[in-house]
Amino acid sequence: QTEVTQEPSLSVSPGGTVTVTCALSSGSVFPSHYPNWFQQTPGQAPRTLIYNTDSRSSGVPDRFSGFIFRDKAALTITGAQANDESFYYCVLYMGDGIWVFGGGTKVTVL
Amino acid sequence: EVQVVESGGGLIQPGGSLRLSCAASGFSLSDHWMDWVRQAPGKGLVWVSHIHNGGTYTTYADSVKGRFTISRDIAKNTVSLEMSSLRAEDTAIYYCVRVSNFNFDFWGRGTLVTVSS
Repeated sequence: QTEVTQEPSLSVSPGGTVTVTCALSSGSVFPSHYPNWFQQTPGQAPRTLIYNTDSRSSGVPDRFSGFIFRDKAALTITGAQANDESFYYCVLYMGDGIWVFGGGTKVTVL
Repeated sequence: EVQVVESGGGLIQPGGSLRLSCAASGFSLSDHWMDWVRQAPGKGLVWVSHIHNGGTYTTYADSVKGRFTISRDIAKNTVSLEMSSLRAEDTAIYYCVRVSNFNFDFWGRGTLVTVSS
């Protein structure tokens, strides 16, 4: 059973930089896993921030960036703002129409 | 305008069945993958099921395989998720999502399914 792991929680100072990672239990993350990243605040549907590793969805500020580094997918928030405090999820494509989500990361801006 | 709108959630007893619907507008199901994702109260997102744009290829998470069936009606531009043998652990908000070129680009607002006696 493939698992996708994220940090449970991270904190960042206003204006600072934070990186959330997305790791595969079975090995490295590659572009062929088509990582997507989502932001979700309580009571709201998820919002897609990044798709296909590093493409920003329409309307997403450029302080959000996605990449693959050292076998993991990663989402970096540069110049964090108070309204970036949220849950962040990644999802990876396993092939044959199957996706696996990470457990989510709570990012606190303080 | 592209939209996906879920319906059909509600309170159901353990062992019961429920059919969720996802009405798509602004695009054709023939051109896009469609997936269901769920989120139990206070928990993370979990992928549930997928239907290919061709309509004949479907996949399921192990936790729902054999109990859930995804299908679509091209004429009504609707995707359905037929859920049977429901368990307490199936309690969740169920989101319908359009997936375009591996991009989860449009999410519905979700429909809540509560399995409880």
